Amino acid sequence: SQQGEEDPQALSIQEGENATMNCSYKTSINNLQWYRQNSGRGLVHLILIRSNEREKHSGRLRVTLDTSKKSSSLLITASRAADTASYFCAPETSGSRLTFGEGTQLTVNP
Amino acid sequence: SAVISQKPSRDICQRGTSLTIQCQVDSQVTMMFWYRQQPGQSLTLIATANQGSEATYESGFVIDKFPISRPNLTFSTLTVSNMSPEDSSIYLCSAQYNEQFFGPGTRLTVL
Repeated sequence: SQQGEEDPQALSIQEGENATMNCSYKTSINNLQWYRQNSGRGLVHLILIRSNEREKHSGRLRVTLDTSKKSSSLLITASRAADTASYFCAPETSGSRLTFGEGTQLTVNP
Repeated sequence: SAVISQKPSRDICQRGTSLTIQCQVDSQVTMMFWYRQQPGQSLTLIATANQGSEATYESGFVIDKFPISRPNLTFSTLTVSNMSPEDSSIYLCSAQYNEQFFGPGTRLTVL
C-alpha cells in the first residue's frame, strides 16, 4: 500500500496567499521528503525532514513532521504563480525506498 | 544537489519492441532507483539498481520485463521489454545522496 497520502488533492489560491498541504503515512520512517513536479516534468527536491526533527524551513517553505500522528505538512508562504505544480510527500523507509502518494495539485492564480 | 541526466528524454515505440533508458549521475552514488509514473498518477518504485549485483524489484515488477544494469557507481540502464500500450509512462531514475534526487524523466509512448 502507498505510504504517502496527500491532502487536499487539489488546492486553488490567489497569489500572495499561503498554501498548506498535508501528508499522512502508515509505518515508521527514516525521513520524509517533499517534491514538486511541474506538469509532466522531473521531480524537484524541496526539503528533507528527518524522523527526529519536528520543523524545518527553507526560504518560503516550512515543513512539519509529527511522527506520533504519522503526518507532515508543507506550508508555502506568500505564494506565486510560479508555485503552480503538483506537490508530493515521500516517506523514506528501509533501503532508502520512497513511496509516493497521489500528490496535491496546487494552482496559484495571479 | 546532484545532476542527473536521462536518455532519451522521450520516445515513441511500437508494440512488441524494447527500449533502453540510460541514467547518468555526476558523482558516485551507492544507491540508484528506477520509478514509473503512469499518466495522471503518482510515482511507483520499480526497483533498486544495485552496483555489482542484480537489481532488487518491487512487488509487481519482474526482471524479464524491466531488466536493469548498474555497471558502475554513476550509471544505470532500465530496459522496458516487449512493450505494450500499458507501458506508456514517464520513467524516472533517482540517486540517493543525503536527499534523493531525480532525473528529468523519459516519456515513453507505446503505440
